[in-house]
Amino acid sequence: QKEVEQDPGPLSVPEGAIVSLNCTYSNSAFQYFMWYRQYSRKGPELLMYTYSSGNKEDGRFTAQVDKSSKYISLFIRDSQPSDSATYICAMSALGNFNKIYFGSGTKLNVKP
Amino acid sequence: NAGVTQTPKFRVLKTGQSMTLLCAQDMNHEYMYWYRQDPGMGLRLIHYSVGEGTTAKGEVPDGYNVSRLKKQNFLLGLESAAPSQTSVYFCASSYTRRAGGKSPLHFGNGTRLTVT
Repeated sequence: QKEVEQDPGPLSVPEGAIVSLNCTYSNSAFQYFMWYRQYSRKGPELLMYTYSSGNKEDGRFTAQVDKSSKYISLFIRDSQPSDSATYICAMSALGNFNKIYFGSGTKLNVKP
Repeated sequence: NAGVTQTPKFRVLKTGQSMTLLCAQDMNHEYMYWYRQDPGMGLRLIHYSVGEGTTAKGEVPDGYNVSRLKKQNFLLGLESAAPSQTSVYFCASSYTRRAGGKSPLHFGNGTRLTVT
């Protein structure tokens, strides 16, 4: 069983839709939860991060962590064609910062 | 401010050939990392460095060597390339060892390597 599971998609939505991207994990020691965005032929870039449980909002993006269910989500409101990319969840445990566990990424396509 | 720069962008090797991938960062970061990205696998850590002159093994180090002679550069070597090393290689750096949210990984744009 992988430490982090993520549906690879692709996920295709019309412009303006609300997008929900999700990851599940198995290690209860994970405390840092991150979302990276990767455009085609580019390197990943950090989009959002949260520590422990709860929600975090940044513009059209909301990250949620449910540690009891070992489930994290990224919501994108009013999705735009420029949001078309691969979204990769990542997480790490307290005290083991050099070890980051990455999901395999979900490819999102927002159609105009 | 270029961030993390990787060279070359593309390379095709024959089995048994060797090559070196170069990574340079201009952010004065202490920590540098080499990852490989394969379909359905996610990013996997090959080697990393916590400072000039140091290196350490990651999750999938076999078949690779690294060197960090200068703080800004991190080299990844393949001594005898194998088809299983066909992948996209990413270099990353971070300011501290808290490679989480407060000190995120800054990635280069990758080297696409094909071994035939």
